[in-house]
Amino acid sequence: ENVLTQSPGTLSLSPGERATLSCRASQSVSSSYLAWYQQRPGQAPRLLIYGASSRATGIPDRFSGSGSGTDFIFTISRLEPEDFAVYYCQQYGSSPTFGQGTRLEIK
Amino acid sequence: QVQLVQSGAEVKKPGASVKVSCKASAYTFTGYYIHWVRQAPGQGLEWMGWINPNTGGTDCAQRFQGRVTMTRDTSISTAFMELSSLRSDDTAVYSCARGGSISSVLRGLMIHWGQGALVTVSS
Repeated sequence: ENVLTQSPGTLSLSPGERATLSCRASQSVSSSYLAWYQQRPGQAPRLLIYGASSRATGIPDRFSGSGSGTDFIFTISRLEPEDFAVYYCQQYGSSPTFGQGTRLEIK
Repeated sequence: QVQLVQSGAEVKKPGASVKVSCKASAYTFTGYYIHWVRQAPGQGLEWMGWINPNTGGTDCAQRFQGRVTMTRDTSISTAFMELSSLRSDDTAVYSCARGGSISSVLRGLMIHWGQGALVTVSS
C-alpha cells in the first residue's frame, strides 16, 4: 500500500494569504497519478487537481499543484473565505489511497 | 447531470452485515468505475474498493478483503456494497463515487459523489 502523509495537519491563515500543503508518498506515484480534493463540512469531497498539476473542470486558477515521484505540493495562491476546508491528496494507481488530510482554518 | 443516489441510513448490531446501494443516472453506467469510500466520524477518507460495472470485476483495499462484496445490476444502473461482520469501528458514512472512463487512467479518480449513507454499528 502506498501510504500518503500530508503536512501540516492544520494550517491557520487569513483570507488573501497563500497556502502551501504537502503530500509525501511512501512509494513513487506512477505517472504522477496524484489528485487533490477539497471537503467542506457536511459536503462530499470535490476533485480539484489530478495528474499532480491539472485542474479539474471549473476549478479556479488560484488552485495549483506540482511535484512528482514521492513529493507533491498543493497551493492556493490567495485564500478566499470559501477555501477554508479540509484537503486530501490521493494517489490513483492500482489501489487508491488517501492522505490523512490537512485542515485549513481561518486565523 | 451525473447523479449518484444512495440508500438511506442504517443501524446494525455487531456481527451483522449491511448492504448499501448507489443508483446512477445521466451517464452510461457501464462506462465508468464505481468506487466505495468511507469516512468515520471526524476522520479522513478511506478507499474501500472499486467495481468495473461493465465486467463486474472488483478490487478492494487489503484491510477489507474477505469482508466486503461489491456487485452491480446493470439493468437498473445500480452498484451495491455489502460489508459483513460489522464492528463498532465500522460506524461511518459510506459513499459511492464515479471515476473517470474505464478505458482511461483517470478511472481511479473520484469525480462525482453520492450523498453518503450513515451506517451505525451499535449493540
